[in-house]
Amino acid sequence: KQEVTQIPAALSVPEGENLVLNCSFTDSAIYNLQWFRQDPGKGLTSLLLIQSSQREQTSGRLNASLDKSSGRSTLYIAASQPGDSATYLCAAETQGGSEKLVFGKGTKLTVNP
Amino acid sequence: DAGVIQSPRHEVTEMGQEVTLRCKPISGHDYLFWYRQTMMRGLELLIYFNNNVPIDDSGMPEDRFSAKMPNASFSTLKIQPSEPRDSAVYFCASSLTQYFGPGTRLLVL
Repeated sequence: KQEVTQIPAALSVPEGENLVLNCSFTDSAIYNLQWFRQDPGKGLTSLLLIQSSQREQTSGRLNASLDKSSGRSTLYIAASQPGDSATYLCAAETQGGSEKLVFGKGTKLTVNP
Repeated sequence: DAGVIQSPRHEVTEMGQEVTLRCKPISGHDYLFWYRQTMMRGLELLIYFNNNVPIDDSGMPEDRFSAKMPNASFSTLKIQPSEPRDSAVYFCASSLTQYFGPGTRLLVL
């Protein structure tokens, strides 16, 4: 059974800092790995999707990497801004295109002005 | 495009009452997912549909939970009878890359 873990549960940084959020998964046979952002009281917004054949994906100041052999993914945020404050969740889809995502519990990020 | 629409946004009910949550997916999306989010358990997949057909309901916690998708533009998640431990935020999402609705915050007293 796939389990996804995100550590730390919360992170506070000053504005402008580069930071890395971590995601680990127990079953390396994943179909893809997705990062989401959740603002308080809102639904999730997909940020980046990395397919199993890819090593990383980039969107603006965000870069997500995937290392299946070690069961890890990271989300790198460059030059953080207060508007980046949110909870970031990663989710793994098990191989076979089951469409089922297993989510981590997220890392709550606070960027202080 | 209005995105995924869920109603109601908030629901407060008493234990034993029937609760019906509604979702309108984005037009043209073939997949619809129902999730539940709590502090303790995080985000859990309850059931998902493909072309209105339930594909996997293994995440539905008990027989008290049921979900239907009578057509491509509407789905319901019903809890009968509701219990305090059902209190959570319920999300639906459509398509494979998962466009989420705003959620329904359910409180069962």
